[in-house]
Amino acid sequence: DVKVTQSSRYLVKRTGEKVFLECVQDMDHENMFWYRQDPGLGLRLIYFSYDVKMKEKGDIPEGYSVSREKKERFSLILESASTNQTSMYLCASSPTGLFRGSGNQPQHFGDGTRLSIL
Amino acid sequence: SQQGEEDPQALSIQEGENATMNCSYKTSINNLQWYRQNSGRGLVHLILIRSNEREKHSGRLRVTLDTSKKSSSLLITASRAADTASYFCATDARSSNTGKLIFGQGTTLQVKP
Repeated sequence: DVKVTQSSRYLVKRTGEKVFLECVQDMDHENMFWYRQDPGLGLRLIYFSYDVKMKEKGDIPEGYSVSREKKERFSLILESASTNQTSMYLCASSPTGLFRGSGNQPQHFGDGTRLSIL
Repeated sequence: SQQGEEDPQALSIQEGENATMNCSYKTSINNLQWYRQNSGRGLVHLILIRSNEREKHSGRLRVTLDTSKKSSSLLITASRAADTASYFCATDARSSNTGKLIFGQGTTLQVKP
């Protein structure tokens, strides 16, 4: 079975801190994704990556950056945490389908990191 | 923008009853996927239906797709208390080659024992 592991289930940080959320997948998937999930807003895509050192902005990239130095690891960085970034963060991975970045493949999710910014 | 929208937002039924959830979307798609999320956990993929398919089954799950109406339904038959979860549809845009999925806001299903 595919395993996507997020480094922390719960995290509390202070305003202005630089925050790192780590995600590791063990199935050699090309694609990795970071979402945030908020009540009433569903899942929103922050950033995604098709390959090592490759990244593309999702729908809400402001205030975030990402790093993918190795295929199995995709890191989300909050450059200067703010209270409006308090949320559940979900990482996912998927294999490449018929064409690069194909949406034909299911995404496999980690259990999420519930981040609180005080 | 393309978005899956689930209906109803919340559903409460008795164990043994069937549960039907609907999803509508706005633009042409390559496929539509359904996911389940237990409280406090990540999403788990349930089923994928391609745009040229009309119906698909997996165990107690039945998914239909009507591309002319841009809608899909997920039917869970003979529900169990363990089916209590949130259910999301997700679509990718036929016009896009990015492979991004757009998730709806989900239907919260409660199955009472």
